[in-house]
Amino acid sequence: GQQVMQIPQYQHVQEGEDFTTYCNSSTTLSNIQWYKQRPGGHPVFLIQLVKSGEVKKQKRLTFQFGEAKKNSSLHITATQTTDVGTYFCARNTGNQFYFGTGTSLTVIP
Amino acid sequence: DAGITQSPRHKVTETGTPVTLRCHQTENHRYMYWYRQDPGHGLRLIHYSYGVKDTDKGEVSDGYSVSRSKTEDFLLTLESATSSQTSVYFCAISELYPSGVTEAFFGQGTRLTVV
Repeated sequence: GQQVMQIPQYQHVQEGEDFTTYCNSSTTLSNIQWYKQRPGGHPVFLIQLVKSGEVKKQKRLTFQFGEAKKNSSLHITATQTTDVGTYFCARNTGNQFYFGTGTSLTVIP
Repeated sequence: DAGITQSPRHKVTETGTPVTLRCHQTENHRYMYWYRQDPGHGLRLIHYSYGVKDTDKGEVSDGYSVSRSKTEDFLLTLESATSSQTSVYFCAISELYPSGVTEAFFGQGTRLTVV
């Protein structure tokens, strides 16, 4: 299919620990987007990466796009309970969105 | 929330019955989407629409049909619900910004249980 694969599927961390989720594609991506879904909520757009090797930061969140544009990562430094949720990557082609399988993050206080 | 409303928010139905989920948007977006969300599968595209009466299949369209008779409404129908269609269904629209980023905005979701 056209989905991108994400690992891990689940991650439990102690509050204050770091967290990383990885997104992998077998084909070159024109861009990669990241969304966050809080428990019981709906996915919300976080960011889009376009350039090879691009790195963007949003406070404690660091997003990277691989040099070959086939993978991406989201790293959260010093997790907080507000980071709980499921993180999705997505490839966007025009007006189509193909989402990854998601990583569910649990933060233990 | 991009003016997206899904109804109903929760539904329990019996196997073999027809079910229609409604997505309503108030901001005249051209593109609308139906996704289903299941553990281990993420969000999978069922059908999408690129205008009134213009629809196309997504990755998991079997067992589903859609209609869009007005810009603001996109309906998803399960002709004969099966237990495998128990899921959370999300409607979405896309918004293109001057920066070139096309962002997906989602409705609140409909939790459907087929018993």
